[in-house]
This record gives sequence, C-alpha cells and structure tokens, in this order.
Amino acid sequence: KAGVTQTPRYLIKTRGQQVTLSCSPISGHRSVSWYQQTPGQGLQFLFEYFSETQRNKGNFPGRFSGRQFSNSRSEMNVSTLELGDSALYLCASSLAEQGREQFFGPGTRLTVL
Amino acid sequence: AQTVTQSQPEMSVQEAETVTLSCTYDTSENNYYLFWYKQPPSRQMILVIRQEAYKQQNATENRFSVNFQKAAKSFSLKISDSQLGDTAMYFCAFIRQYGNKLVFGAGTILRVKS
Repeated sequence: KAGVTQTPRYLIKTRGQQVTLSCSPISGHRSVSWYQQTPGQGLQFLFEYFSETQRNKGNFPGRFSGRQFSNSRSEMNVSTLELGDSALYLCASSLAEQGREQFFGPGTRLTVL
Repeated sequence: AQTVTQSQPEMSVQEAETVTLSCTYDTSENNYYLFWYKQPPSRQMILVIRQEAYKQQNATENRFSVNFQKAAKSFSLKISDSQLGDTAMYFCAFIRQYGNKLVFGAGTILRVKS
C-alpha cells in the first residue's frame, strides 16, 4: 500500500506570495492532519480534516488554511507569506476516526525569501 | 492543555549497546495514546512504537520497548542492540483518546557510534 505523499517536496517563495501544498493520504485513511516543523518551535499542529470537515485547528493565524476533498486528499494554503513561515510542513493520515497512530508523508520544505 | 517534555536534547550510544530516552507528559485525562516517532536525516517521520494508556503492559516492537509509568506520567523508550541506522531525532508524542492532534516533545537527537 502506498504511503502518504506530499507535493511539492521543495518550494521557494518570496514574502507576500501565497503557496498551496498538497497531501494524498494512505488509501482508506479519512483523517489528514498538518504540522509545521521549525528549529525554534518544533512540531506544531496546524489543523486536521476528517470527511472534508475541519475538526481541529491549532494556534496559527488565519493566513493558514486548508481543505479536504471527497477522495480524502488535502491541501493547505498559506497566504501573504512571511519569513517566519519557512519550515518543513508535514502531512499525516490516520485510519481511525480519532486517537490513533498517524502516518507521515516526507514533508514539503518551504523557504520564504 | 497537554504538554510533553523530553529532557535530553542529545544522547550518544555505542553500536550494540542499549540506550534509554526519557519522556514525561502532563494531562488530566485518563485515556490517551503515547507514541515514539523517529526522524532520521531524511526528515521522514517514522512511527516506532505506540502505547495505549489503558493498557498496563508495556509495548514492545523488536529492539524497541517502552517503560510506561502512568501514575508518574513517564514514557521512556529503550533501544536494545543499537544500530547505526537508529541515528535520528526521536520524538515522544501524546494524543487524546478523542482527537487527532498530536502533541510532540522537543525531541532527542540520538547518535549511534561505531
């Protein structure tokens, strides 16, 4: 069974631009979560989608948004990019509806110049 | 809010030896799940082991085992017969019984030396 895939793997943007990251979960997984990883803040939860509905949201500004499609694929969007948005963005999928292990994709490395 | 603390920023171990990574957490909930994830230099996050809080028996996965002390809110990872491929950042993580938000510790860098 294929793992979680994320595209693109690397991205370079400039301040003020917007970016869209994509995540395809493991087949059959309906929950998709997004995390931001930075050296200073570590791993932080962004949001989680289940059956096309956002169920949880972390403490990030409204510039960070996401959505999930009927095939469980998910996208996250960051508008008006700031230098501090440079990070590794990880997507994780889960089979169970809640409270179980999550399987991570390889991440998208975003650099904001 | 739940918090996870890993007090060892870095550790090193000789190949074939045993090492234990520490993790403590804080929660008021009775049922939850705990995980150890490994992140090698490739940055791919890999699930190492899982523990359900309602299970008293410590989880084991091949060379990896945990010491789960619920009352003390402690969840340490023991790696036996350490291998060079175990070199990675290790994250301890908590998830509520009803929820899909992982709360991570700051991580421990483990270096296995030959």
